[in-house]
Amino acid sequence: KQEVTQIPAALSVPEGENLVLNCSFTDSAIYNLQWFRQDPGKGLTSLLLIQSSQREQTSGRLNASLDKSSGRSTLYIAASQPGDSATYLCAVIGNQFYFGTGTSLTVIP
Amino acid sequence: GAGVSQTPSNKVTEKGKYVELRCDPISGHTALYWYRQSLGQGPEFLIYFQGTGAADDSGLPNDRFFAVRPEGSVSTLKIQRTERGDSAVYLCASSLIAGTITAAPGEQFFGPGTRLTVL
Repeated sequence: KQEVTQIPAALSVPEGENLVLNCSFTDSAIYNLQWFRQDPGKGLTSLLLIQSSQREQTSGRLNASLDKSSGRSTLYIAASQPGDSATYLCAVIGNQFYFGTGTSLTVIP
Repeated sequence: GAGVSQTPSNKVTEKGKYVELRCDPISGHTALYWYRQSLGQGPEFLIYFQGTGAADDSGLPNDRFFAVRPEGSVSTLKIQRTERGDSAVYLCASSLIAGTITAAPGEQFFGPGTRLTVL
């Protein structure tokens, strides 16, 4: 069974810092990996989707990388803002669908 | 609407009752997914539809849970004889492309969820 781990579980940074969130998975036989943000009491908002043949995807201040062979993905957030405060989840999609438990990010003004 | 919608947003029921949760996917999306999320956890996969058929229902916890998608659009998750442990947020997602053995499913878009509380 695929196991998805996100480290750290919680992160607090001052506004303007660049930061990296980590996602690791145990089975490299995946189709793609998707990063989401979740605000308290809300559903998930898709941020980036990386196909298994890709190494990275960029959208605005976000950059996600994928290293299938090592079972790792990172989400890089540049110049963090208080509005980035949320829980960030990675989802690994293979024959089934597995989510990590998320990283709770707080950006302090 | 433009996004995935779910009704009701909140449902409170008593132990032993039957509940139905509805999901309206994005128009034209082939695939539809149900997940369950407990507090402090990531979503847990329940079932996945390609069109009208359940492509993978291996995440349904037991036979009290059942889902249908009769016309390949709206889906209903049905829970019989609810238990307190069923309390969670039930999330629905849809994607334009359904996966196959050799092709990846498309980007998933989520609804706001239904918070189910079983007293």
